[in-house]
Amino acid sequence: KQEVTQIPAALSVPEGENLVLNCSFTDSAIYNLQWFRQDPGKGLTSLLLIQSSQREQTSGRLNASLDKSSGRSTLYIAASQPGDSATYLCAVLTGNQFYFGTGTSLTVIP
Amino acid sequence: NAGVTQTPKFQVLKTGQSMTLQCAQDMNHEYMSWYRQDPGMGLRLIHYSVGAGITDQGEVPNGYNVSRSTTEDFPLRLLSAAPSQTSVYFCASRYNPGAWGYTFGSGTRLTVV
Repeated sequence: KQEVTQIPAALSVPEGENLVLNCSFTDSAIYNLQWFRQDPGKGLTSLLLIQSSQREQTSGRLNASLDKSSGRSTLYIAASQPGDSATYLCAVLTGNQFYFGTGTSLTVIP
Repeated sequence: NAGVTQTPKFQVLKTGQSMTLQCAQDMNHEYMSWYRQDPGMGLRLIHYSVGAGITDQGEVPNGYNVSRSTTEDFPLRLLSAAPSQTSVYFCASRYNPGAWGYTFGSGTRLTVV
């Protein structure tokens, strides 16, 4: 069974700092990997989707990379802002199912 | 384009009661699924469907039933609610095959007392 791990579980940074969130998975036979953002009490909002054949995707201040062979993905957030405070989840599609990590809770301090 | 719509947003049930959580999508997605989210345990798949008339069990299916009579709708039924089913439930959909990402509903917060 695919297992997805996100480290760290929580992260607190001052505003303006660049930061990296990590996601690792045990089975490299994935179709794609998706990063989500979840605000407290809300649903999941898709941030970036990386196909298995791709190495990275970018959207604004966000950049996600994928190294399928080593079972790792990183989400890079540039120039962090207080509005970036949320929980970030990664999910990998293996077979017919998405498997989720437990997330990294990010707090950006003004 | 409404995306994935879940109703209700909040629900309190007594132990033993039954109810149906509704999920509808207007994106013509073949694949629909239900997850529950519990603190410290992440999202766990309850049931999923790859198309109308086809459903299958996920990781935690006990106590839940689903059906898929149309492409748009995928209701989740709790037959006899238990306190262990207190959770936040999310419906999600995507195109099949899996080269596309998931779209999530806003969730239903269920409390069983």
